[in-house]
Amino acid sequence: EPEVTQTPSHQVTQMGQEVILRCVPISNHLYFYWYRQILGQKVEFLVSFYNNEISEKSEIFDDQFSVERPDGSNFTLKIRSTKLEDSAMYFCASRGTGDTGELFFGEGSRLTVL
Amino acid sequence: SQKIEQNSEALNIQEGKTATLTCNYTNYSPAYLQWYRQDPGRGPVFLLLIRENEKEKRKERLKVTFDTTLKQSLFHITASQPADSATYLCALENQAGTALIFGKGTTLSVSS
Repeated sequence: EPEVTQTPSHQVTQMGQEVILRCVPISNHLYFYWYRQILGQKVEFLVSFYNNEISEKSEIFDDQFSVERPDGSNFTLKIRSTKLEDSAMYFCASRGTGDTGELFFGEGSRLTVL
Repeated sequence: SQKIEQNSEALNIQEGKTATLTCNYTNYSPAYLQWYRQDPGRGPVFLLLIRENEKEKRKERLKVTFDTTLKQSLFHITASQPADSATYLCALENQAGTALIFGKGTTLSVSS
C-alpha cells in the first residue's frame, strides 16, 4: 500500500541551527502539507502546497520556515534558525486529486531543539 | 473566529460498550467533515468522511452523524475493544479548501 515516508524519524539540534525535514509523498498525489504537534497538544496546520507554490500558511509558519519540492518526489520543510519552542513532532501529509479530501500522513519527524 | 471543539478530552469506557465522541464547530460551512485516529507517537489515520448532505455514515463498527443545523458531528464506536483505545480527531477544511484543520481530539480508553 502506498505510504508517505518521512526522514529523519528523530533529529536533535542546537538552538539557532538550520534543520531540513524530508518527506516523500504518495507518488500520484498533488497536494502536500506540513503539520506540527507539540507534545500533548493538538495537530496544528503549518502549510499547504500545490502546483509548486504555497496554497495556505498558518500564523506559525513565519519567515523562519520554508518549503520546497526540489524534485518530483521530495517535499521538504526547512527551519532556518531553530528555537526551543520548535521542538515538536512534524507530520507531512499528501492528498490525491479525488473528491474525498482524505489526507495520508507520514509517521512524523521528531525534532528536539536544545 | 473558526473553532472546532471536541468537548471531551478523555473518555473511559468498558469493553463492549458504545463510545460516543462529539465534535462541534463554529464559523465553518463545511462541505464535509472527517474523523481520524491517532495513536501515541504516530501520524493521524483517516477513518471516515461524511458530506453535508449525508445524515449518517457507517464503516464496520464505526458510525458518524453530521447535523449542519446543530453544527455537530457524533462519532460512535459500537462493541468497543481495548484496541480502539486512541485519540480521535475531528477535522474540517477551511473556507478556501486549502487547509484541513483538526480539533484537539478526544482520547478514548477502553478497559477490559
